[in-house]
Amino acid sequence: QQQVKQSPQSLIVQKGGISIINCAYENTAFDYFPWYQQFPGKGPALLIAIRPDVSEKKEGRFTISFNKSAKQFSLHIMDSQPGDSATYFCAASMSGNTPLVFGKGTRLSVIA
Amino acid sequence: DAGVIQSPRHEVTEMGQEVTLRCKPISGHDYLFWYRQTMMRGLELLIYFNNNVPIDDSGMPEDRFSAKMPNASFSTLKIQPSEPRDSAVYFCASRLGGGTDTQYFGPGTRLTVL
Repeated sequence: QQQVKQSPQSLIVQKGGISIINCAYENTAFDYFPWYQQFPGKGPALLIAIRPDVSEKKEGRFTISFNKSAKQFSLHIMDSQPGDSATYFCAASMSGNTPLVFGKGTRLSVIA
Repeated sequence: DAGVIQSPRHEVTEMGQEVTLRCKPISGHDYLFWYRQTMMRGLELLIYFNNNVPIDDSGMPEDRFSAKMPNASFSTLKIQPSEPRDSAVYFCASRLGGGTDTQYFGPGTRLTVL
């Protein structure tokens, strides 16, 4: 059972545009929602994360929007750059002794 | 810190052979995770350890897969016998404590079974 559904599978964005990736979760006990970024040949690395007590978190060009009632969260990349081209994974977990549950990933290509 | 270290980075083997993947977690981290990544299935959690003890191995696909963590600084994932469908990138990750702590991934081992 997939507990975190991610869309789209792939995304092509023009340089300077906004990239938006969406995730939906099922388990209302989740209370931690990170996004991981993976470049080819590398392991995923934490990009940004949010807790459900806030609806938005911004770090530079990256913003997480969180909608608790809809059980959805999304990653927005403003002013997308070719260097942002990577695979992005959303994830969710509960506090305590639990592993992250990952979405299936979105391959982002930013073209000049 | 050097981060999570995995070896080998690439492994090519023939069907039926035994494969051993190795991982050194970040020093002091209590949790160690093994993942498998494929295009079709994304990142799959195979097994994870807490303080060297296996907590959940429900993601291990078959009895051909086994994992050990003999001490806090070393873990292995073994496939015996290997099959072509085992071809994937295998990641090890470690985490300091609870579910909201950052999880750090190694560079992965790309396994090809011919």
